[in-house]
Amino acid sequence: GNSVTQMEGPVTLSEEAFLTINCTYTATGYPSLFWYVQYPGEGLQLLLKATKADDKGSNKGFEATYRKETTSFHLEKGSVQVSDSAVYFCALWMDSSYKLIFGSGTRLLVRP
Amino acid sequence: GAVVSQHPSWVICKSGTSVKIECRSLDFQATTMFWYRQFPKQSLMLMATSNEGSKATYEQGVEKDKFLINHASLTLSTLTVTSAHPEDSSFYICSARDSKTGANSPLHFGNGTRLTVT
Repeated sequence: GNSVTQMEGPVTLSEEAFLTINCTYTATGYPSLFWYVQYPGEGLQLLLKATKADDKGSNKGFEATYRKETTSFHLEKGSVQVSDSAVYFCALWMDSSYKLIFGSGTRLLVRP
Repeated sequence: GAVVSQHPSWVICKSGTSVKIECRSLDFQATTMFWYRQFPKQSLMLMATSNEGSKATYEQGVEKDKFLINHASLTLSTLTVTSAHPEDSSFYICSARDSKTGANSPLHFGNGTRLTVT
């Protein structure tokens, strides 16, 4: 079946460090891929998305590229800030199943 | 942008009582809404897909009679936790997609409801 695997957290970084959160997926077709962010006590906010192979999603300094050959959608940011501390979820959407499937989430903690 | 409003944001109830959670799409119509449950420090688990004007589709292992879903209009879906027990305590989140946008448009999420059953 369809699934998403994320690197386990927490990830602890100093401010201005480079961030990578790995995400790989398993899907029978061609999913759309998303990164959502969840701040403490809140719901989810869409961070970025990519709908086809080689697409790059970007927002607020975060980027992720849809890699079909490696079935990956790794999240990157060149210089993190304390305000980026949150839980990040990788997710895939399959039209065939009409479901959004989430990875386990990765907690990011950025220290000043 | 598209806003999904969820109410209440938190609720405490006694064991055996029922709790209703509302999910509204404020500036768009949603023929389909989704209800998720999130356990502490865990991912979101899809509970059910709520379809306007028809019965909800429940995921395997989710009790239909315990988690009643009603989607009476294009902007409102409700989740009622019936005869709640402490093990039902969790964070419930709804989401919706704008019916007028394409299949690849993202889901919009509410801010969640923290349910605590004592």
